[in-house]
Amino acid sequence: EDQVTQSPEALRLQEGESSSLNCSYTVSGLRGLFWYRQDPGKGPEFLFTLYSAGEEKEKERLKATLTKKESFLHITAPKPEDSATYLCAVHQQGAQKLVFGQGTRLTINP
Amino acid sequence: DGGITQSPKYLFRKEGQNVTLSCEQNLNHDAMYWYRQDPGQGLRLIYYSQIVNDFQKGDIAEGYSVSREKKESFPLTVTSAQKNPTAFYLCASSIVAGVSNEQFFGPGTRLTVL
Repeated sequence: EDQVTQSPEALRLQEGESSSLNCSYTVSGLRGLFWYRQDPGKGPEFLFTLYSAGEEKEKERLKATLTKKESFLHITAPKPEDSATYLCAVHQQGAQKLVFGQGTRLTINP
Repeated sequence: DGGITQSPKYLFRKEGQNVTLSCEQNLNHDAMYWYRQDPGQGLRLIYYSQIVNDFQKGDIAEGYSVSREKKESFPLTVTSAQKNPTAFYLCASSIVAGVSNEQFFGPGTRLTVL
């Protein structure tokens, strides 16, 4: 069965302390991998799409990378406003839907 | 401003009642989706529609129904057959279903059964 697993479930960092979130997937034929940010009580906000191994995308303090089995969301020198749940989702070739991971809840302490 | 709107933001339902959640988009997207989000779980797909007057069941369609009479609108009805409807419901849209275009989400509706 296709699976998307995110780790860790929760991560607490100090402001300025860089780290990475992981999204590992087991699908045959990746069509695209998506990262979203979700604030409490709100809908997910689109961040990045990655299509092939080796691809990287950056936005402010966030950088997403992709290998054949996993994606990393690197956060550099985070600020408290980066606190949120980060979701990844994969789109398999031939499928009509995205499969979402359970998310990583990130807290940045000032 | 282009975007997706959902209403109401909060909804309370009594046992045995049907309720309808609204989703409207002005992005001119062909595909629309309904997801359910429960604490500690990822988003689960309820229904999706690739084109007007057509829709398909997702992973957890039992107890739900949808319609797609207009491109802009994709309402979700939570019927009394849904045994555990308390959840956060999210509507999304994308340019074309099946092509790896990103999905954009509305602000969500929180449904509580009293």
